Amino acid sequence: DTEVTQTPKHLVMGMTNKKSLKCEQHMGHRAMYWYKQKAKKPPELMFVYSYEKLSINESVPSRFSPECPNSSLLNLHLHALQPEDSALYLCASSHPGQARYGYTFGSGTRLTVV
Amino acid sequence: TQLLEQSPQFLSIQEGENLTVYCNSSSVFSSLQWYRQEPGEGPVLLVTVVTGGEVKKLKRLTFQFGDARKDSSLHITAAQPGDTGLYLCAGVHPLASYDKVIFGPGTSLSVIP
Repeated sequence: DTEVTQTPKHLVMGMTNKKSLKCEQHMGHRAMYWYKQKAKKPPELMFVYSYEKLSINESVPSRFSPECPNSSLLNLHLHALQPEDSALYLCASSHPGQARYGYTFGSGTRLTVV
Repeated sequence: TQLLEQSPQFLSIQEGENLTVYCNSSSVFSSLQWYRQEPGEGPVLLVTVVTGGEVKKLKRLTFQFGDARKDSSLHITAAQPGDTGLYLCAGVHPLASYDKVIFGPGTSLSVIP
């Protein structure tokens, strides 16, 4: 299995809602990442997990809360988002310390905040 | 100022034409990666170049890493409509103490049948 699977593919939520994005990989990778991509822009790093521990938070607002329950799963919990948080949210994985060789990305979750 | 610059930003060509896109930086990178992204999908890794001066080929795509490891190019021969997409170069941030991969702004390629 060489895929990173993200669910849901599309999500529309209100500003008072709580929702979660899910990412799953079975590639044996122990580093997982969340990226945010706005339209016509490159992906921007949000969080890095290494060996199931949060190693990097790129100054992301607390309304985004990541979780890594095990080596195959990565969640992003969303609460009280703003319309400007609407974007494509991408999950990626790699072997720890090997990001220089490239990531495997999921297909993303298209989030719309209304 | 972006650490990785890409040119051109947009490119529209006819099927069968050749093209080259560029990725440049003032910093030295240990490696550079090229991804292709289609609308609404995640980026797909095409190749990683690691050694200065390295040339890699992937069917009609040729990738080159500059001798000084500050730039890279992607050349497509006889472009096809299926090559349409956003081409992103990326690399581990030279000043980061961890695996922070940063992306260039991308080149949006449209191949017209």
